[in-house]
Amino acid sequence: KAGVTQTPRYLIKTRGQQVTLSCSPISGHRSVSWYQQTPGQGLQFLFEYFSETQRNKGNFPGRFSGRQFSNSRSEMNVSTLELGDSALYLCASSITGGTSYEQYFGPGTRLTVT
Amino acid sequence: GNSVTQMEGPVTLSEEAFLTINCTYTATGYPSLFWYVQYPGEGLQLLLKATKADDKGSNKGFEATYRKETTSFHLEKGSVQVSDSAVYFCALPYGSSNTGKLIFGQGTTLQVKP
Repeated sequence: KAGVTQTPRYLIKTRGQQVTLSCSPISGHRSVSWYQQTPGQGLQFLFEYFSETQRNKGNFPGRFSGRQFSNSRSEMNVSTLELGDSALYLCASSITGGTSYEQYFGPGTRLTVT
Repeated sequence: GNSVTQMEGPVTLSEEAFLTINCTYTATGYPSLFWYVQYPGEGLQLLLKATKADDKGSNKGFEATYRKETTSFHLEKGSVQVSDSAVYFCALPYGSSNTGKLIFGQGTTLQVKP
């Protein structure tokens, strides 16, 4: 079974621009979660989508948004980029997202904002 | 919500040494507990998990036991290899509801020298 894939793997953007990252979950997985990883803050939860609905949201500003499609693929968008948005963005999929089910992570998208 | 505290690194060991990485948690109920590993330049990989008290998760020579008395889930390996050099994260679900939000420790960097 193919793992979680994320595109693009690397991205360089300028302050003020917007960016869209894509995540394809493992086949059959309906829950997709997004995390931001930075050296200073570690791994922080952004949001989770399940069956095309946002089920949970972390403490990030409204510039961060996401969506999920009927095939469970998910995208996250960051508008008006700031330097502090430079990070590794990780997507994880799970069968249902329940507390007993492990999440499988993709390789991440490395976003650099200049 | 639940929380997790992980020992700070970096941890530097010689090959074949014994490894312990401490992890303690605060949780409502008895959630599943996870250890993830991140190799340089990659996303997170699930290393092992335990779903109930006294469960022992194991994989690739690593072990961790779910101790409800001490609210701990310490990671151990009897003989580390250079290839084990990575960052290790302890994690648990944020709450008891059926969502995919994981809370991660700050990560412990392990460096194994030949």
